[in-house]
Amino acid sequence: DAKTTQPNSMESNEEEPVHLPCNHSTISGTDYIHWYRQLPSQGPEYVIHGLTSNVNNRMASLAIAEDRKSSTLILHRATLRDAAVYYCIPPGGSQGNLIFGKGTKLSVKP
Amino acid sequence: EAGVAQSPRYKIIEKRQSVAFWCNPISGHATLYWYQQILGQGPKLLIQFQNNGVVDDSQLPKDRFSAERLKGVDSTLKIQPAKLEDSAVYLCASSSREGWNYGYTFGSGTRLTVV
Repeated sequence: DAKTTQPNSMESNEEEPVHLPCNHSTISGTDYIHWYRQLPSQGPEYVIHGLTSNVNNRMASLAIAEDRKSSTLILHRATLRDAAVYYCIPPGGSQGNLIFGKGTKLSVKP
Repeated sequence: EAGVAQSPRYKIIEKRQSVAFWCNPISGHATLYWYQQILGQGPKLLIQFQNNGVVDDSQLPKDRFSAERLKGVDSTLKIQPAKLEDSAVYLCASSSREGWNYGYTFGSGTRLTVV
């Protein structure tokens, strides 16, 4: 299984953009990068996923490096409700499971 | 659509007692997962079902944990007997197809405290 590296924590100010990095240097060419987040006292929720090109949805953008060894989740305007733990998910196990690391705890200051 | 339902929301038991958790996945989702999340850590997969069959239970402590998914819909996870280290949030998730490229939907979890 591929391994990922994320900072333990990050801080942001409300209404400013946030860039959450993830290194996944051992990823293979056909593996998607998934991001989930977990709000306090809730289960994880899907944020975004991508393979090679940058991806956008209503929640966030995902910028994937050309060599695919890293990616960055971009929240364009952080709100207090974006305070959560963000997980960059490596390719799943033999059965295609989500394998969670410790993630990055994002704090948003008003 | 309705989300993944889990109950109870909280449970406190004494060590060596037994406990059961229930999960109702999103309608039509064939794949169901149980995860254990210890405080300060990411969720850890315990077991994966495809319909009513077990696909992966390699991380399930089978001496005390058991799970079933009758009729390929609802699932129960049981711990008997519980240990202090089983204190955690137990999360259920479902997806429409097997494989992690298909989005998972998680329930809010059951917080278990073993005293």
